[in-house]
Amino acid sequence: DIQMTQSPSAMSASVGDRVTITCRASQGISNYLAWFQQKPGKVPKRLIYAASSLQSGVPSRFSGSGSGTEFTLTISSLQPEDFATYYCLQHNSYPHTFGPGTKVDIK
Amino acid sequence: QVQLVESGGGVVQAGRSLRLSCAGSGFTFSTYGMHWVRQAPGEGLEWVALIWLDGNNIYYADSVKGRFTISRDNSRNTLYLQINSLRAEDTAVYYCARAGSSSGDYYHYMDVWGKGTTVTVSS
Repeated sequence: DIQMTQSPSAMSASVGDRVTITCRASQGISNYLAWFQQKPGKVPKRLIYAASSLQSGVPSRFSGSGSGTEFTLTISSLQPEDFATYYCLQHNSYPHTFGPGTKVDIK
Repeated sequence: QVQLVESGGGVVQAGRSLRLSCAGSGFTFSTYGMHWVRQAPGEGLEWVALIWLDGNNIYYADSVKGRFTISRDNSRNTLYLQINSLRAEDTAVYYCARAGSSSGDYYHYMDVWGKGTTVTVSS
């Protein structure tokens, strides 16, 4: 099975900060990677698919990059509504696996 | 609009069985694979199972293999998850999510989620 790790596991940031979250796969997954945002008590929301394609309706301050085993999610200028937990998902092979999540909170 | 609605959750004694449902609308249900994903209280997301279009290709997480059965009824636009021999660690919110029309359909992969149904296993 492919293991997904994320770093950091949690971070404190200020409005306007540039935030980068890294997701690593234990073996190559090409670009079969998606990023999700989840706020407390809410349904996960897909932000990025195919590692770098922006979901329709998601602000352009969100971007994704990477291929193979290392991927990043970047928020170019953090906004108040971006405080949430972020998960990556690999769907290159079965079983699919989510990363453990990165919680972004207010500094 | 595209919508998924889960049902069937509740408080169930350990060792019993439960069947969850997920009704799809606003899209051609039979042309999409469907996932189940769960989230235990205070924990992260866990992928549970996937069923492709005609129900003949099915995949499970190792943690649920042998106790969970995913199925679908395309005539009813409904996805199911049968959970047997419930354990305390099955306590979670269970979400259904749309897959693509094939494994290479990145565009639709997990783009739509239901609001979830809560399963609580009591001892």
